[in-house]
Amino acid sequence: GAVVSQHPSRVICKSGTSVKIECRSLDFQATTMFWYRQFPKQSLMLMATSNEGSKATYEQGVEKDKFLINHASLTLSTLTVTSAHPEDSSFYICSEKLSGAMNTEAFFGQGTRLTVV
Amino acid sequence: SQQGEEDPQALSIQEGENATMNCSYKTSINNLQWYRQNSGRGLVHLILIRSNEREKHSGRLRVTLDTSKKSSSLLITASRAADTASYFCATYNQGGKLIFGQGTELSVKP
Repeated sequence: GAVVSQHPSRVICKSGTSVKIECRSLDFQATTMFWYRQFPKQSLMLMATSNEGSKATYEQGVEKDKFLINHASLTLSTLTVTSAHPEDSSFYICSEKLSGAMNTEAFFGQGTRLTVV
Repeated sequence: SQQGEEDPQALSIQEGENATMNCSYKTSINNLQWYRQNSGRGLVHLILIRSNEREKHSGRLRVTLDTSKKSSSLLITASRAADTASYFCATYNQGGKLIFGQGTELSVKP
């Protein structure tokens, strides 16, 4: 399957600072990227969907000014958690879908464990 | 929002036993997918079953789909300790977003 590289895998930051998480497609072009958040022992909650070259679509309840998503190219999407607070501590995972593919399997990054202290 | 429910939420079995996990969903689908997640890691795609299929096999995995009941099951036969992980079903909603069930945490004891 396709390879999605997500980094960093772990990050600890101080309250009030910003953290950038990158997701890179290594062997295919993805026009659509999904960003998920996962709390311990819970399922993945979709935060936003990003499309290359256009603004991201955020799910209800997700603050777009706090979780900045950029999908500048077909191979790179970034999620920036701005002015981080301890409640933002979570596991963030990106997922990509092949360009033009409808309803097929998604490919996931390794996830980023964010701890805000 | 979550697409559906999974049960059980947690399952503990001995090596060699079979593990069955169930998933229910709410809307019409083109396909249903099962994913595996090791603790603290990303998700790995296991199997995809299309809406016109009733059963599909892949190695020790067997997936069934009942569209009339909007439910699916994942059976892992002859389980191994290495199968210990969380298992999620997922479907695409009408907006083309991949939505996950609550997941089943499987523990296989050696």
